[in-house]
Formats: sequence, structure tokens, C-alpha cells
Amino acid sequence: DIQMTQSPSTLSASVGDRVTITCRASQSIDTWLAWYQQKSGKAPKLLIYRASTLEAGVPSRFSGSGSGTDFTLTISGLHPDDFATYYCQQYHSYYTFGQGTKLEIK
Amino acid sequence: QLHLQESGPGLVKPSETLSLTCSVSGGSMTSSAYYWGWVRQPPGEGLEWIGRISSSGTTSYNPSLKSRLSISVDTSRNQFSLTLSSVTAADTALYYCARLHAPGVFRGGEFDPWGQGTLVTVSS
Repeated sequence: DIQMTQSPSTLSASVGDRVTITCRASQSIDTWLAWYQQKSGKAPKLLIYRASTLEAGVPSRFSGSGSGTDFTLTISGLHPDDFATYYCQQYHSYYTFGQGTKLEIK
Repeated sequence: QLHLQESGPGLVKPSETLSLTCSVSGGSMTSSAYYWGWVRQPPGEGLEWIGRISSSGTTSYNPSLKSRLSISVDTSRNQFSLTLSSVTAADTALYYCARLHAPGVFRGGEFDPWGQGTLVTVSS
């Protein structure tokens, strides 16, 4: 099984800040990684796929990078709408999600 | 625009079978570019992939659930279904259905879009 570990579990930030969330895979997954945003009481929303490709309609302040085992999601210039929980997901072998990172208002 | 909607009982007794259906509207289920999947989320916890099925009926299951799990598809009705047998309290979760990109040169494995989810509680 491929395990996905996100850090931090919780991140406090202010509107306008630049934040980075890290996701580490237990073995190489090339760039078979997606990022999702989940707001309270809602289904996850796909933000990024293949580690760095922005899904259509997703604001350009979101960006992803990485390959192999280490990946990052960066939000440049936080908007009030961005405070949510973020999950990474690998699809190199089956499908596994990270445990989530809750982005909260400082 | 594709829309997915889960349906099924909200309460299941321990040791019984959980059955859910996902109805797909706004598009066809027959494209080979996509699979159809289930993901669950226990209250206050993270996401767990359950399984997925192609429009032709080929399945792939989470090994941890495989012995209790069955997923089927009915493309004529634009629906796919999940059954999970011998449930326990650990199966209490919000169950989501989602479209899944099939493996390709550049995409393959992302869940998009998702249904709104349905809460299933296992309790006597």
C-alpha cells in the first residue's frame, strides 16, 4: 500500500498570505498526484492533477509541484473562500488520500 | 454538466448489508475515458477509496474491503451501485460517488465531479 502523509495537519493564516502544504508518498508515485479542496459539509473539489496541472476553472493562485515522493500545494494570496481542508491523493497504485490539512483563519 | 446523486438507507444494523446507488445525469456513463467510483469519509475523518467500476463492468476494490464489497453498473439506467456486507460501526461514514478519470497518457485517477454524499450510520 502507498501511504500519503500531509503536513501540517492544521495551518493558521491570514487573508493575503502565501501558504504551502506538503504531501509525502511512502514510495515513488511519479507525478500521479491530485489535490482537492473540501469545505465543511461539501464534497471535495478537484484543484490540481498530475501534481501541477490546474483543473479548469480553478484560480491561478493555486499551484502544485513535485514528483517522486514529495509534493507541495501553494496558495499565493489567500482569499476568504480558501479556508477549507485540503487533501492530496495518489493514483499510481490504487487510490490513497492524505489525512488532510485544515487551513484556518489566524 | 455532469451531476451525481447518491441514494440509499441512512441507517443499517450491524452485520447487515449496506446498499447504495449513484444516479448519473447530464451525461453518459458509457465513455471508456472514465470509471465510476465510491469514496467514504467517517465523521470528522479523512477520505478512503472504496472501489471503482468501468462502464463495461470491470471492477477494482480497496483490498481492505474486498471480501465484503461488490460494485455493479447499469449503464441503461445511468446508475452504479455499491453493496457492503457484514457492516460494523466502523463502516459509519459519509459515502460519496464520483466519476474517475481512466488511465491515460496525461490523466487517470482523479475524482471529478463528486456527488453530495450520503450519511450511512451503522447502529442497532
